[in-house]
This record gives sequence, structure tokens and C-alpha cells, in this order.
Amino acid sequence: AQKVTQAQTEISVVEKEDVTLDCVYETRDTTYYLFWYKQPPSGELVFLIRRNSFDEQNEISGRYSWNFQKSTSSFNFTITASQVVDSAVYFCALSREIDNYGQNFVFGPGTRLSVLP
Amino acid sequence: GAGVSQSPSNKVTEKGKDVELRCDPISGHTALYWYRQSLGQGLEFLIYFQGNSAPDKSGLPSDRFSAERTGGSVSTLTIQRTQQEDSAVYLCASSLGGFGYGYTFGSGTRLTVV
Repeated sequence: AQKVTQAQTEISVVEKEDVTLDCVYETRDTTYYLFWYKQPPSGELVFLIRRNSFDEQNEISGRYSWNFQKSTSSFNFTITASQVVDSAVYFCALSREIDNYGQNFVFGPGTRLSVLP
Repeated sequence: GAGVSQSPSNKVTEKGKDVELRCDPISGHTALYWYRQSLGQGLEFLIYFQGNSAPDKSGLPSDRFSAERTGGSVSTLTIQRTQQEDSAVYLCASSLGGFGYGYTFGSGTRLTVV
């Protein structure tokens, strides 16, 4: 069975601090994708980053970076120099292929990030 | 349209009534998904459409739930004889590609059953 765990329910930081959101996943699939989504107070889920199971190279994109380690089944997400606008609920998700055209996401429970001015 | 549009944004209904939730995906997106977000259950997959067919509807919680998609575009999620436990935010997402592509989500329909 697939499962995504986000152990941090809520995190509060002061603006300009760095913050890392943890994600641990379980799957028996050899091919899968991992995602991070952000849900601001408006409610719409916004795609942030994606990584496939064959690519463990960690990257930085602006203030965002991620650390994917298959050995520990972790896909952690870091925001550098946090801003108040980063306040949202962040979801880690694991996808598996349904057919040649679709996929099924399993979402973690989410981490609520509050960035205080 | 520019994004995924869902209507209504809010719906309050009496227990036992039927409701219809609408999703208008991004033009050209062949894959369409429905998810449900509730306090106790988090984000749950309901159904996946590819064109007008539904290869995976394993997430529909009971036979009171059904969905259809017409013209490879608009989708309607119908809940019959609503129950209080159906109260949740129903999210629709569409995707241009297949496995590994990110979804674009709508803002959701908040359903409250009283």
C-alpha cells in the first residue's frame, strides 16, 4: 500500500528564517513521482515541485530546494528566507500510474506553515 | 479557460437532498480528477477520467456518489441522498499529460450538509 507521512502538523517561523518540511513515503512501486503542493488560505492547491523515482539529484529553484533520498524514502522541502506569503498548508504527494494516461495521487496529511512578520 | 473552474463555490444542502458539483477543466486537458478534502480524512482520491471514460473510480465512497464527463470537458459529480459525513471540500483537477504530470486544481466546492 502507498502511504505518505508528514510528521510536522504545524510549524511557525519568523520571517527570513529557513524552514524544512519533512515527507516520508511508502511504496512498492519502482517507478513513481513525488510532488509538493501548496494550499494558501484561498484553498486552491498550487503545484510546486516534482521529482521522479530515478532522479535523486537535489535541486534549488529560487527560494525552494528539495532533498530526495530513496534510501530513507524521504522527500524533504526547504524554503530559504521565508516570507509571510509562504504561510500555507503544504502537501507532499506520491503518484502511481493508473494507465498510460493517468495517475493516482496519495497525499500526506499536510503541514501548516505560519511565517510571522 | 485559464484555470480549472468549479461551481458552486459553496453549497449548503439539507440531509437527504441530491447535489451536483460542476468542474470545467483547462481546455485541452484530457485527464480530470475529483478529490475530496475533509478535516478527518485529508485529501482523498475519488475518480479519474480520461476523456469521457473513467478508468479508475475506486475512490467513490458509496453508490450514492457518481460522476460523468461529457465532450471530454465538463464533469459533474453527483451525490444522492446527502449525509452529514459528505460535508467536505470537493476539489477537481485536470492534467494535460499522463504519469508524472502535475495537476492544476480548482478552488473547490465547499459542501455543507445540515
